[in-house]
Amino acid sequence: SQQGEEDPQALSIQEGENATMNCSYKTSINNLQWYRQNSGRGLVHLILIRSNEREKHSGRLRVTLDTSKKSSSLLITASRAADTASYFCATDTGRRALTFGSGTRLQVQP
Amino acid sequence: EPEVTQTPSHQVTQMGQEVILRCVPISNHLYFYWYRQILGQKVEFLVSFYNNEISEKSEIFDDQFSVERPDGSNFTLKIRSTKLEDSAMYFCASAGLNTGELFFGEGSRLTVL
Repeated sequence: SQQGEEDPQALSIQEGENATMNCSYKTSINNLQWYRQNSGRGLVHLILIRSNEREKHSGRLRVTLDTSKKSSSLLITASRAADTASYFCATDTGRRALTFGSGTRLQVQP
Repeated sequence: EPEVTQTPSHQVTQMGQEVILRCVPISNHLYFYWYRQILGQKVEFLVSFYNNEISEKSEIFDDQFSVERPDGSNFTLKIRSTKLEDSAMYFCASAGLNTGELFFGEGSRLTVL
């Protein structure tokens, strides 16, 4: 797999449920970031977790990082219809040029 | 809130024509990037720019591509002779010195006919 691969590719849940997306990567990283993209729009930064951190929270978002498994997860709690978007993980190997994964398309049904 | 702005939002061009996509990064940012996203596919890194020179480029960024920061505010991507496969959404991004977070513009959709 390529650097920064998310799974699942698509996820459909009901409003109020939690959504979990996973990301795997191959090389050592400086940090890992999650971005959101509404259809046809630009990417919006959600959260950054450094390689020496294991968990980070921001509002309804919770990100974990396991550098031994080279994986990360993004949990969105109590999802809302407005959370419908594509979510991408991106890895920074220290060269400041992020490598993005293929993304998870999240659909939250009202 | 400061934002990255891109123009044009959509450009249609004939194969072989030159295209210039423009970006105004956030004013105190020092790192500038171009990414592209072919419809429905992943976001691909093209080039990064720092201190008035290219700091890194991908295999996609061949001799047909160039970037320039002609003044203190604009950051441009030029495609010299467009091909059909250059059709994509092109995103500009900028970053400050002490954070790894990238701020993206809304993109320029390029359609090559």
